[in-house]
Amino acid sequence: QVQLQQWGAGLLKPSETLSLTCAVYGGSFSGYYWSWIRQPPGKGLEWIGEINHSGSTNYNPSLKSRVTISVDTSKNQFSLKLSSVTAADTAVYYCARGSSAVAAGGSYYYYYMDVWGKGTTVTVSS
Amino acid sequence: SSELTQDPAVSVALGQTVRITCQGDSLRSYYASWYQQKPGQAPVLVIYGKNNRPSGIPDRFSGSSSGNTASLTITGAQAEDEADYYCNSRDSSGNHAVFGGGTQLTVL
Repeated sequence: QVQLQQWGAGLLKPSETLSLTCAVYGGSFSGYYWSWIRQPPGKGLEWIGEINHSGSTNYNPSLKSRVTISVDTSKNQFSLKLSSVTAADTAVYYCARGSSAVAAGGSYYYYYMDVWGKGTTVTVSS
Repeated sequence: SSELTQDPAVSVALGQTVRITCQGDSLRSYYASWYQQKPGQAPVLVIYGKNNRPSGIPDRFSGSSSGNTASLTITGAQAEDEADYYCNSRDSSGNHAVFGGGTQLTVL
């Protein structure tokens, strides 16, 4: 059974860089999109970005200028860096495995995130 | 702003049926996936694809889609179903994932 274990610094000062890593255990690393999602206190989920095993990335346009997602296939790990953090970046950060394919019949696609990390609380405060 | 729109809150009497909806242009091309999130926990996938349930998800959860609207139906809601529910898909370009704003479900 695939499990995601994530870690990183939980307390940052404004202008610092957030850095989190997610390790994939018990399954294949290739063939999936590996995503980061965040959830500010009391708010909904926000997709940050994703990477596949070959290093191809997609980022949320609203965060793109500050986000870098990288992959280390030798360790089955992927990482998130978010620069110049402010209090607005305070959130629980999750890593997740995403799958996408064409549905039977060819007229629809599907996409879902079926495995999630437990989340890391990141607080930005001076 | 989210490209997927959900009602902020819905309530259902214990044992009754409730439908949670999600609207967005990308849902004309993508099936929505649905996640249940309880306080202090990570989201859990409950429906994906046309109407697929991951292992361990009760069969009272089902999904459907019509036009630009996806629906999650809970038939015979239980107290343990009280949670926040989020829909998820790709955007119209297909290059980004998006979430709905979430629906808080209360079981009365």
